[in-house]
Amino acid sequence: DTAVSQTPKYLVTQMGNDKSIKCEQNLGHDTMYWYKQDSKKFLKIMFSYNNKELIINETVPNRFSPKSPDKAHLNLHINSLELGDSAVYFCASSQYGHGNTIYFGEGSWLTVV
Amino acid sequence: AQTVTQSQPEMSVQEAETVTLSCTYDTSENNYYLFWYKQPPSRQMILVIRQEAYKQQNATENRFSVNFQKAAKSFSLKISDSQLGDTAMYFCAFMKDSSYKLIFGSGTRLLVRP
Repeated sequence: DTAVSQTPKYLVTQMGNDKSIKCEQNLGHDTMYWYKQDSKKFLKIMFSYNNKELIINETVPNRFSPKSPDKAHLNLHINSLELGDSAVYFCASSQYGHGNTIYFGEGSWLTVV
Repeated sequence: AQTVTQSQPEMSVQEAETVTLSCTYDTSENNYYLFWYKQPPSRQMILVIRQEAYKQQNATENRFSVNFQKAAKSFSLKISDSQLGDTAMYFCAFMKDSSYKLIFGSGTRLLVRP
């Protein structure tokens, strides 16, 4: 019974395409995140939503657009994919509140060719 | 800006022995939280342990414990009785009290040898 689930887990696509990654959590949390892990394993936050409201928006190209239809779902849409977008994208969730533990999904491995 | 440094890119340990992974951080905050996450080859990020900076007592979770030295801004992870399943990347992470962002170190790859 996966707590934070992402689809797809693997995605290979060509430059210039548009793709989406979906995320759902069944932990009852009200805050969700997207993190990016690059080829050197470095992890960095991209976005965060609390109850469908954007609360963190790091310096990310406009080609990346998150959408949260409800507090249990957070999707990531990427337009005009570039080679440098190749990475593992992690969805995560937590209960709203400073210092609360953030729980991660299994990651979506995106390869742009 | 806060930074997290893990100075050991790779470490190895014999099964059943003890290993300590280092982490230092830089912050001017007084209240914050520290975490260790494990990333096995399956890629999933799994919480190992969490420490609140205002608590002096070191956190422990079964075979995992931390040595939290607030003045030195050090947060090392000790793994006792290492098991083959402990083989993974270990990430130290920092979150300040007024934020929801985890700031990660660069990770330490741990290999447990049979």
